[in-house]
Amino acid sequence: TQLLEQSPQFLSIQEGENLTVYCNSSSVFSSLQWYRQEPGEGPVLLVTVVTGGEVKKLKRLTFQFGDARKDSSLHITAAQPGDTGLYLCAGAQGFGNEKLTFGTGTRLTIIP
Amino acid sequence: DTGVSQNPRHKITKRGQNVTFRCDPISEHNRLYWYRQTLGQGPEFLTYFQNEAQLEKSRLLSDRFSAERPKGSFSTLEIQRTEQGDSAMYLCASSPRAGSYEQYFGPGTRLTVT
Repeated sequence: TQLLEQSPQFLSIQEGENLTVYCNSSSVFSSLQWYRQEPGEGPVLLVTVVTGGEVKKLKRLTFQFGDARKDSSLHITAAQPGDTGLYLCAGAQGFGNEKLTFGTGTRLTIIP
Repeated sequence: DTGVSQNPRHKITKRGQNVTFRCDPISEHNRLYWYRQTLGQGPEFLTYFQNEAQLEKSRLLSDRFSAERPKGSFSTLEIQRTEQGDSAMYLCASSPRAGSYEQYFGPGTRLTVT
């Protein structure tokens, strides 16, 4: 059973548009990470959020952790072709139990 | 710091053969994790080590799978009597210490069982 549900599963938009990807769970997580993965490569860590309500920005990417630490969102402003990839959220459930539970991913395609 | 490395990057084997993969974590990272990723899915946890001690194994890790980290540095994952269902990307990640949530992944080993 996947504990983390990501939506949408696929997203294809024009360069310059904005988008939001969601990561939802019925479970509480102590931390949540977002990764981006290119075909044939391992996931690359983008950000870690640990506090309910926390917002982090990474250039045009904004990450938010829900107040109850059950959900998260990734917002991209003015998407560029270089943003194309598979975006994965992953949660850890506590100190001493840092193994990650991953969502199924959102495959994002930015059309030039 | 050269990041996490994995070898080989690709492995094609016939059903019933044994295969072994190697992972070299980031230097001085105490924790090392193995995950498996099948097409269209997110990675799934297999096992992890704190130094040389294997602390947890997933139910996904059948008796045909064994992992070691003999000196607390590199790790190996062996699959005996491979089956077609073992075809997947095997990912290794490391993190600095217990309580550190960031995990840094290697490029993975793509296994194809024919």
